[in-house]
Amino acid sequence: QKEVEQDPGPLSVPEGAIVSLNCTYSNSAFQYFMWYRQYSRKGPELLMYTYSSGNKEDGRFTAQVDKSSKYISLFIRDSQPSDSATYLCAMTYGGATNKLIFGTGTLLAVQP
Amino acid sequence: DADVTQTPRNRITKTGKRIMLECSQTKGHDRMYWYRQDPGLGLRLIYYSFDVKDINKGEISDGYSVSRQAQAKFSLSLESAIPNQTALYFCATSDFHGQETQYFGPGTRLLVL
Repeated sequence: QKEVEQDPGPLSVPEGAIVSLNCTYSNSAFQYFMWYRQYSRKGPELLMYTYSSGNKEDGRFTAQVDKSSKYISLFIRDSQPSDSATYLCAMTYGGATNKLIFGTGTLLAVQP
Repeated sequence: DADVTQTPRNRITKTGKRIMLECSQTKGHDRMYWYRQDPGLGLRLIYYSFDVKDINKGEISDGYSVSRQAQAKFSLSLESAIPNQTALYFCATSDFHGQETQYFGPGTRLLVL
């Protein structure tokens, strides 16, 4: 079983829809949770960062962490065609030797 | 100018050839990483370096080697390329401050025939 599971999609939604992207994980030691966005033929870029449980909002994006269920989500409100990309979740234990464990990514297409 | 650059951006090589992928950064970060990305497998860590004198294997280091020539430069070598090393390769950097935020280069597409 992979440490981090993510549905690869593709997920296709109409412009303006609310998008929900999710990851599950198996290791309860993970403390820091991130979402990266990767456009086609580009490197991943950090979109959202959350420590421990709870919600974090940044404009149209909301990151949610439920450590009791080992489940994280990224919500995109009023989705735009420019949101079309692959979204990767990532997480780490924390500490000086921390490394990121990535999900496989979900391909999102927002149709105009 | 980009903070993390990778050269070449695309490379086609033949089985058995030795090739080097190079990464440079202007962010002043101590930590540098090499990943490969494959469809359905996501990003997998090949090697990482926390400073110039530190080199560590990641989860898939077999068939690869690295060199940290300076704080700003981290090279990945395929000693004898094989077709299953065909992938997208990313370099990343980070500056540890109690969290791990990594900054990625644009990637190198490698095709091994």
